[in-house]
Amino acid sequence: TQLLEQSPQFLSIQEGENLTVYCNSSSVFSSLQWYRQEPGEGPVLLVTVVTGGEVKKLKRLTFQFGDARKDSSLHITAAQPGDTGLYLCAGGNSGGYQKVTFGIGTKLQVIP
Amino acid sequence: NAGVTQTPKFQVLKTGQSMTLQCAQDMNHEYMSWYRQDPGMGLRLIHYSVGAGITDQGEVPNGYNVSRSTTEDFPLRLLSAAPSQTSVYFCASSYSGGQRGPGELFFGEGSRLTVL
Repeated sequence: TQLLEQSPQFLSIQEGENLTVYCNSSSVFSSLQWYRQEPGEGPVLLVTVVTGGEVKKLKRLTFQFGDARKDSSLHITAAQPGDTGLYLCAGGNSGGYQKVTFGIGTKLQVIP
Repeated sequence: NAGVTQTPKFQVLKTGQSMTLQCAQDMNHEYMSWYRQDPGMGLRLIHYSVGAGITDQGEVPNGYNVSRSTTEDFPLRLLSAAPSQTSVYFCASSYSGGQRGPGELFFGEGSRLTVL
């Protein structure tokens, strides 16, 4: 069974601060997805990274896939209250059903 | 744009009762899946389907049944509800990402189930 560990599980910061969320595994994944979930809703995809060492930027969010494709990070610059939510990393493999394994999630609160 | 529609949004059951959570998608996705989300446990896969007539077990299938008679619908049945099945349930659909791995998962809004 492939496991994904996310850290930290909880993060409360002031508006304007920077933060990084980590997603680590001992297994290699074909791709790593990041989702954001708001209360009462389902997760929504932010980004997919597929190449070791890949870096993708989405406005103030920067996503990186580790060189060995076992880990990933999400960095938020100058956090805004609208960034508040649950961030989930999810690893997947090619072939067959392509099951997705989710991390526990990082609950982020950005205080105005 | 309906996307993935789940019903009901809330349900309270007594131990031993049965019920069906409905899920429908209008994106013609081949893959559909059911997850449960519990505090400290993340999203765990219950059952999934790679197409009409084909289903398989995920990580936590005990106590649940599924069927997929059409591409659009993927109901989840609780056979005899137990308090351990109190959770938030999410249905998701997706396309195959091919060699790059899974495609984007599109989730419903969730169904919050309480078993007393």
